[in-house]
Amino acid sequence: KAGVTQTPRYLIKTRGQQVTLSCSPISGHRSVSWYQQTPGQGLQFLFEYFSETQRNKGNFPGRFSGRQFSNSRSEMNVSTLELGDSALYLCASSWGQAAYEQYFGPGTRLTVT
Amino acid sequence: AQTVTQSQPEMSVQEAETVTLSCTYDTSESDYYLFWYKQPPSRQMILVIRQEAYKQQNATENRFSVNFQKAAKSFSLKISDSQLGDAAMYFCAYRSAYPGGTSYGKLTFGQGTILTVHP
Repeated sequence: KAGVTQTPRYLIKTRGQQVTLSCSPISGHRSVSWYQQTPGQGLQFLFEYFSETQRNKGNFPGRFSGRQFSNSRSEMNVSTLELGDSALYLCASSWGQAAYEQYFGPGTRLTVT
Repeated sequence: AQTVTQSQPEMSVQEAETVTLSCTYDTSESDYYLFWYKQPPSRQMILVIRQEAYKQQNATENRFSVNFQKAAKSFSLKISDSQLGDAAMYFCAYRSAYPGGTSYGKLTFGQGTILTVHP
């Protein structure tokens, strides 16, 4: 069974632009979570979706948004990019509503210049 | 809110020897899950082992085992017979088991421990 995939793997954007990252969960998984990883703040939770509904959101500004489609694929969008948004963005999936194991994708490395 | 603390920024071990990574957490909940994840230089997060808080028995997965002390809120990872491929950043993580809560569905991570394995 294929793992979690994320596209693109690397991205360079300019301050003020917006960006969309994509995540395809493991087949059959219905929950997708997003995390931001930076050297200074470590791993921080962005949001979690289950069956197209956002169930939980981390402490990030409204510039960070996401959605989930009927096939469980998820996208996250960051508008008006700032230098501090440079990070590794990780997506994780789990199979059910109460499932506790999350399986991670390889991440998208976003650099904002 | 829950917090997870890994007090060892770096650890090293000789190949074939045993090493223990420490993790403590703070929570007011009684039902939760704890995990250790491994992140090698490729940055791919790999689930190493999990522990359900309601289970008293410590989880074991091949060369990896945990020492779960619920009252002390401690969750250490022991790696036996260390191999060069074990070199990575290791993260301890917490997840609530209560549906609908503000922390449900998310993992709260510690700051990580970099493990170096010497041949």
